[in-house]
Amino acid sequence: DGGITQSPKYLFRKEGQNVTLSCEQNLNHDAMYWYRQDPGQGLRLIYYSQIVNDFQKGDIAEGYSVSREKKESFPLTVTSAQKNPTAFYLCASSGTGVQPQHFGDGTRLSIL
Amino acid sequence: GQQLNQSPQSMFIQEGEDVSMNCTSSSIFNTWLWYKQDPGEGPVLLIALYKAGELTSNGRLTAQFGITRKDSFLNISASIPSDVGIYFCAGDSGAGSYQLTFGKGTKLSVIP
Repeated sequence: DGGITQSPKYLFRKEGQNVTLSCEQNLNHDAMYWYRQDPGQGLRLIYYSQIVNDFQKGDIAEGYSVSREKKESFPLTVTSAQKNPTAFYLCASSGTGVQPQHFGDGTRLSIL
Repeated sequence: GQQLNQSPQSMFIQEGEDVSMNCTSSSIFNTWLWYKQDPGEGPVLLIALYKAGELTSNGRLTAQFGITRKDSFLNISASIPSDVGIYFCAGDSGAGSYQLTFGKGTKLSVIP
């Protein structure tokens, strides 16, 4: 079945550690996105990519990094510079033009 | 930046009742989307609206794109227990990158 796969489902980070969240899609979508969700809040955009080897900062990019080496993959690294990383992270993708975004099932990141 | 005001923040209803929620914006949107999120899962697209005045149904759900392009409404008829979850509205201003602005969600609880 086509869809968006995020892994792992749960992730724990130690102080000073970088962690990478995986996002893979087999929908042949050009655009991919990373969002952060905090309790009682809407989704906030971290990074997005409209094409391979290109990506743009969203509203809250500080402390995060991404890469887009393949169309189907858009990993997110939460660096040690992100002082408040505990959140639910959602990856999404969309086709070209005016197409709605579809989401993966999320990764919950916590601090040890 | 753009903001979406979604209301109500939460609601408790009896099974079988109809539900109405809405989103308003200070600026114009070209697309309105409604998503539902279950606990620990990613948002699932319910309805997409692309034209001012558009009224679209998906089963018991009906959504409308406000004529001013600054608001949208979602109605759920004859609620059932599986309607429980958080409903998000999202809008696209058409700035070119298909970035979405999300409301903070309406948490729906259905009392059997």
